[in-house]
Amino acid sequence: KAGVTQTPRYLIKTRGQQVTLSCSPISGHRSVSWYQQTPGQGLQFLFEYFSETQRNKGNFPGRFSGRQFSNSRSEMNVSTLELGDSALYLCASSYDRVSSAYNEQFFGPGTRLTVL
Amino acid sequence: DQQVKQNSPSLSVQEGRISILNCDYTNSMFDYFLWYKKYPAEGPTFLISISSIKDKNEDGRFTVFLNKSAKHLSLHIVPSQPGDSAVYFCAASDVLTGGGNKLTFGTGTQLKVEL
Repeated sequence: KAGVTQTPRYLIKTRGQQVTLSCSPISGHRSVSWYQQTPGQGLQFLFEYFSETQRNKGNFPGRFSGRQFSNSRSEMNVSTLELGDSALYLCASSYDRVSSAYNEQFFGPGTRLTVL
Repeated sequence: DQQVKQNSPSLSVQEGRISILNCDYTNSMFDYFLWYKKYPAEGPTFLISISSIKDKNEDGRFTVFLNKSAKHLSLHIVPSQPGDSAVYFCAASDVLTGGGNKLTFGTGTQLKVEL
């Protein structure tokens, strides 16, 4: 079974631009979560999508948005990029078993975004 | 406000000995705790988890202990192997309030297992 894939793996943008990152979850997984990893703040939760609806949201400004498609693939968008948005963006997927309150999340390799 | 804290940024252990990684949390709503391992240029990999109704969970060389009254958990690796060298993240979730897949991570501990 293929793992979580993220594209692109590396991206360089300039301040003020916008960027779209893509995540393909493991086949059959319906939940996709996004995290930002920076040296100063560590791994921080951005949002989670389940069945094309945002189910949980972290404390990030509205410049960060996401969506999920009917095939569970997800995209996140960052508009008006700032230098501080430089980070590793990680996507995680889970099956979301009804019988379990917690479902193990599988992470992709991440997209390294550099904002100049 | 760092709700999950790993106060040791690094730990060095000899091969074959025990590695003990510690984690403290402040949010009493957290009811599920996990440890992830991360190699450079890869995403975190799930290691072991524990629900707040337990105080210990074991999986092979890995054991997680939870002390709810102290809001503290630890990961024990016995025996430590060179391949265990990686960054270890502690994470927590408040499953009962619907935040199951929303993980709050600590800042990580770099473990180095030396020969």
